[in-house]
Amino acid sequence: QQQVRQSPQSLTVWEGETAILNCSYENSAFDYFPWYQQFPGEGPALLIAIRSVSDKKEDGRFTIFFNKREKKLSLHITDSQPGDSATYFCAARGGGGNNKLTFGQGTVLSVIP
Amino acid sequence: AQTIHQWPVAEIKAVGSPLSLGCTIKGKSSPNLYWYWQATGGTLQQLFYSITVGQVESVVQLNLSASRPKDDQFILSTEKLLLSHSGFYLCAWSLAGEDTQYFGPGTRLLVL
Repeated sequence: QQQVRQSPQSLTVWEGETAILNCSYENSAFDYFPWYQQFPGEGPALLIAIRSVSDKKEDGRFTIFFNKREKKLSLHITDSQPGDSATYFCAARGGGGNNKLTFGQGTVLSVIP
Repeated sequence: AQTIHQWPVAEIKAVGSPLSLGCTIKGKSSPNLYWYWQATGGTLQQLFYSITVGQVESVVQLNLSASRPKDDQFILSTEKLLLSHSGFYLCAWSLAGEDTQYFGPGTRLLVL
């Protein structure tokens, strides 16, 4: 059962464009949604995160838009740079007491100079 | 200075052989610790978590076990490797009561 889904599987944008990565979830108990960036051969690094009480979170070029009613969120990367080329994972945490993160399948972003 | 260290960096092991992977957290007192597994090109799956020394909870059964012998150390092991154990093993930590989990550099495991 895929509780967190991401789309598209891969995305290619030109340098300077805005990349939009989508995520949806099924479990209404999920209350915290971090996005991780992972480069090949490295561990994931936290990029930005949002709690379900908010509908928007901004950090520099990265913005999360969150729609609790539709159980959807998206990560917008403005002014995309070649260095942003990586795999992006959307994750969700429910109130299970173990701080368990459920990850999506990831979106591979390529930014062409 | 790196807060989280995993060892070894990579391993090639034979099916049926034992395995021990380690994770050390420096500079953080009583962190929550986690083990994740990631198939090549795949998503991350949480395997174990620990909130204190000597206490480990299993999230997914994959013929693996974990132990926390010290406050700053988390060990993942098995007595008999399977081909399906190949992948990228990631240790992560968080502070008690906080949301964010921070991942280590990972250990690449290939089982032949």
